[in-house]
Amino acid sequence: ETGVTQSPTHLIKTRGQQVTLRCSSQSGHNTVSWYQQALGQGPQFIFQYYREEENGRGNFPPRFSGLQFPNYSSELNVNALELDDSALYLCASSSGIANTGELFFGEGSRLTVL
Amino acid sequence: AQKITQTQPGMFVQEKEAVTLDCTYDTSDPSYGLFWYKQPSSGEMIFLIYQGSYDQQNATEGRYSLNFQKARKSANLVISASQLGDSAMYFCAMSVYNQGGKLIFGQGTELSVKP
Repeated sequence: ETGVTQSPTHLIKTRGQQVTLRCSSQSGHNTVSWYQQALGQGPQFIFQYYREEENGRGNFPPRFSGLQFPNYSSELNVNALELDDSALYLCASSSGIANTGELFFGEGSRLTVL
Repeated sequence: AQKITQTQPGMFVQEKEAVTLDCTYDTSDPSYGLFWYKQPSSGEMIFLIYQGSYDQQNATEGRYSLNFQKARKSANLVISASQLGDSAMYFCAMSVYNQGGKLIFGQGTELSVKP
């Protein structure tokens, strides 16, 4: 049990719609990172939040946005959904940004875009 | 640019035998960390083992050990005494310290343990 929880676990959207995915970080962790994992691929870094501020972003367009709240939980928002956005979205939490050790992942939110 | 390469899309191993999963990495930064994660069909990424670039000893965690060869830029995972529950996808990943907490993942290796 890692303590990182994500919701919803599965969802289906249509092209052009918007989606919000949620993540509750492990107790005591102030850093949350989001990853996109397409079928058969390794996860790709989307962005990281540290103490409510974005701290690093991967090669994703601006329609991918996020938030981190004072309790360090986080949201990932994707606007104008495209078919290629279909993927498993993983949230990971850690204590600090340096990531010199274990990074705890949730079970992910599986998004299907039709 | 940083990169992780896993050249084995799939591997088979007999139960109770040892297996080595290959991982090579590429970075010009001297400070980095190397990780192995297990991903069962449920989707959760389970942390297995970590090796820092300055660590002198190879990391070990129970049945998992990381064979770190810095000059060759390789970080192979060795699983001893394979169990049926070890069947899963395995990902090698790297974090470069001056780039924050971003993990760069390889494509993964699917391990199947035969009874």
